[in-house]
Amino acid sequence: EEQLVESGGGLVQPGGSLRLSCAVSGFTFSSYWMSWVRQAPGKGLEWVAHIKKDGSEKRYVDPVKGRFTISRDNAKNLLYLEMNSLRADDTAVYYCARDWGNYDAFDLWGQGTMVTVSS
Amino acid sequence: DIQMTQSPSSLSASVGDRVTITCRASQSIRNYLNWYQQRPGKAPNLLIYAASNLQSGVPSRFSGSASGTDFTLTISSLQPEDFATYYCQQGHSAPRTFGQGTVLEIK
Repeated sequence: EEQLVESGGGLVQPGGSLRLSCAVSGFTFSSYWMSWVRQAPGKGLEWVAHIKKDGSEKRYVDPVKGRFTISRDNAKNLLYLEMNSLRADDTAVYYCARDWGNYDAFDLWGQGTMVTVSS
Repeated sequence: DIQMTQSPSSLSASVGDRVTITCRASQSIRNYLNWYQQRPGKAPNLLIYAASNLQSGVPSRFSGSASGTDFTLTISSLQPEDFATYYCQQGHSAPRTFGQGTVLEIK
């Protein structure tokens, strides 16, 4: 079964750091671009970042540029999101998602991990 | 960045109704438009990709269409499990952007 499982969320103080992980199983991880998408409480979906199959290209949404880093370990089937200088407005459920097809649809999602930034 | 404007933001309907949700892109995205359903407390689920292609396993009462920069999601006959929030998303260019969502509620 194809599966994405996020971990690493929790409560962190403003200015703090957190690293999220997404464990992949059931498909060839190295064949897909991957993304992180977040959803603040009661709000809509916001794409955060994506990474190419081999990790050679990365793009970010403006609010996280310079603070978040997406990476991957294809040997371990793991996707990461390193988050630094966290702010209250980074509070959200963070989903990892598989980029699929020529139209960049997100066809497989994890269950999400909650990140709360608060003092 | 490409802005995606969804309408309506909320919609009340009854089981068996036909409903339509629209999404407008701020510039041409060709047919790089995808639709998702999200139930409370769950991850989104891909319904339609490339504007009009039904994702595997999605019921045929869901359909999508496109006209220029306007896109439409139609549910032909609402079922109880269809009451959820729906999002459009453009896959044309980064940053990928979503519409603000449409909450479909039971009348």
